[in-house]
Amino acid sequence: QKEVEQNSGPLSVPEGAIASLNCTYSDRGSQSFFWYRQYSGKSPELIMFIYSNGDKEDGRFTAQLNKASQYVSLLIRDSQPSDSATYLCAGKDDKIIFGKGTRLHILP
Amino acid sequence: KAGVTQTPRYLIKTRGQQVTLSCSPISGHRSVSWYQQTPGQGLQFLFEYFSETQRNKGNFPGRFSGRQFSNSRSEMNVSTLELGDSALYLCASTQEYGADTQYFGPGTRLTVL
Repeated sequence: QKEVEQNSGPLSVPEGAIASLNCTYSDRGSQSFFWYRQYSGKSPELIMFIYSNGDKEDGRFTAQLNKASQYVSLLIRDSQPSDSATYLCAGKDDKIIFGKGTRLHILP
Repeated sequence: KAGVTQTPRYLIKTRGQQVTLSCSPISGHRSVSWYQQTPGQGLQFLFEYFSETQRNKGNFPGRFSGRQFSNSRSEMNVSTLELGDSALYLCASTQEYGADTQYFGPGTRLTVL
């Protein structure tokens, strides 16, 4: 059974700090990895995707991938209250598999 | 450019009935995927359509089916509804089959009584 695991949270982070979200996956065949943000009552929106080991930065967001450890993370720098949402990690081989999400709460 | 649209937005059905949900992708997008989201199981992939053909399928029973039309619009059908089918059904579109940047619609909230 291919799985993507995330801590459900909530993860509480003070405004302005770095929020670190983590995810592990079981399928070594997964080639691409995704982070989605989902606000309450809304549909998911893609933040970024990563294919290669290492870091990928986009604005305040950095995705990190370690295929040997089967580990993906998302760092959010200078966290804002508007970053409060559920963050979904996903891995894709032939099919995309989502984790159940981590609820992030940014404390003003 | 208009986003992904889904109709209806809310639906209430009873056990044993069937339901059809509709999805119109972003203009120019040719691939449509369907997902089921529940609090217990999270977001789960149902199937992906491209060029009117189902290209990929998740682990759902045969009661869940779909199709895609020549204009890329897609429908999904659930027959013999069960209480456990109550969920948010999301459709997402991409420009091409297998593309990674997918855009989700607002979803259809299905309640089965």
